[in-house]
Amino acid sequence: GENVEQHPSTLSVQEGDSAVIKCTYSDSASNYFPWYKQELGKGPQLIIDIRSNVGEKKDQRIAVTLNKTAKHFSLHITETQPEDSAVYFCAASIPPTGNQFYFGTGTSLTVIP
Amino acid sequence: IAGITQAPTSQILAAGRRMTLRCTQDMRHNAMYWYRQDLGLGLRLIHYSNTAGTTGKGEVPDGYSVSRANTDDFPLTLASAVPSQTSVYFCASRGQGRNTEAFFGQGTRLTVV
Repeated sequence: GENVEQHPSTLSVQEGDSAVIKCTYSDSASNYFPWYKQELGKGPQLIIDIRSNVGEKKDQRIAVTLNKTAKHFSLHITETQPEDSAVYFCAASIPPTGNQFYFGTGTSLTVIP
Repeated sequence: IAGITQAPTSQILAAGRRMTLRCTQDMRHNAMYWYRQDLGLGLRLIHYSNTAGTTGKGEVPDGYSVSRANTDDFPLTLASAVPSQTSVYFCASRGQGRNTEAFFGQGTRLTVV
């Protein structure tokens, strides 16, 4: 199966700075890469996703980049705010069994006011 | 409001007891999943179901069973709970197509003593 590695496990940034979280995957057949944000006491929620036919996607302060050759993808958060503090998970999905997600181990992001 | 609901939200269970965690979704999603979340290990797939009437084993299925009698419900059963099953359990569902968002429930915090 797929193996997804995520770094760093914890990240602290000053408010207004940027945060970058990186993930690698092992199976070159993976073609869908979502990012989830989990706030304390809640279930994960999708914040952005990217498909393998796209190299970059942006949604306001959040962007994701994908390098298929190197098999890694990254989440970029600019102008961080205290409400960005949460645990972030990357995931990969492989066809034809694309119904299953393989998650990274999570990054706990703290934005210091 | 459409979504995915888990019950109970938390439970303390004596070792050796049987327990069923409930999960219901009203989005008519075909695929449903059970994950456990443990510190430092991220989200690990226990069991999944691609459609009503079918189930499959995930990464950590031992000690757990599931059933999918209809589209909406996907209960997870611990036949004889052990302390290592202390965890936060998340149910999720996903619609048709491989590259679609997964929706998570709010989680069930289970403590086996």
